[in-house]
Amino acid sequence: EDQVTQSPEALRLQEGESSSLNCSYTVSGLRGLFWYRQDPGKGPEFLFTLYSAGEEKEKERLKATLTKKESFLHITAPKPEDSATYLCAVQAEWGAGSYQLTFGKGTKLSVIP
Amino acid sequence: DARVTQTPRHKVTEMGQEVTMRCQPILGHNTVFWYRQTMMQGLELLAYFRNRAPLDDSGMPKDRFSAEMPDATLATLKIQPSEPRDSAVYFCASGLGQGAGNEQFFGPGTRLTVL
Repeated sequence: EDQVTQSPEALRLQEGESSSLNCSYTVSGLRGLFWYRQDPGKGPEFLFTLYSAGEEKEKERLKATLTKKESFLHITAPKPEDSATYLCAVQAEWGAGSYQLTFGKGTKLSVIP
Repeated sequence: DARVTQTPRHKVTEMGQEVTMRCQPILGHNTVFWYRQTMMQGLELLAYFRNRAPLDDSGMPKDRFSAEMPDATLATLKIQPSEPRDSAVYFCASGLGQGAGNEQFFGPGTRLTVL
């Protein structure tokens, strides 16, 4: 069974204080690892897809990296508008036509001015 | 601006009543997913479709939940009869369903409260 564990559950940062969120996963074969951002009362918003170990992707103050067992979402000099819940999900490589995602429970990030 | 739409956004009902939630996927997307989100369980997949055909509904309580795609622009999730434990936010998502890294795009959700 595919499993995704995110840590920490919650993180409070001062504006400008860089940090990382962790996503550990267990999957029989990884087709893709996804990062989403979710604001209160809204649906998850797609951020990144990573396909293979060693891959990195960046978007503004966010950088996602991937190893064979975990992914990190690095936040550099965060601003209050980066406050949100960040979700990690994996797509397994089993069976043709398998497109479903298994999500972690998320890390709630609060950036204090 | 292409996006997934869901109706209603909020629904309060009494136990035993039928609830129908609707989703319009992004035009051109051929995979549609229904998720349920709660504080305890997080996001859970209920069912999904490709080219309107159901591929997997193993996450759904079969005795009370049903999901359909009457056409390419409409997906429905029905609960009959509803129970208090069904209270959650229900999300629809759509994607292109091809190749690796098939990202899904989520709607705003339907917040369901069953009294």
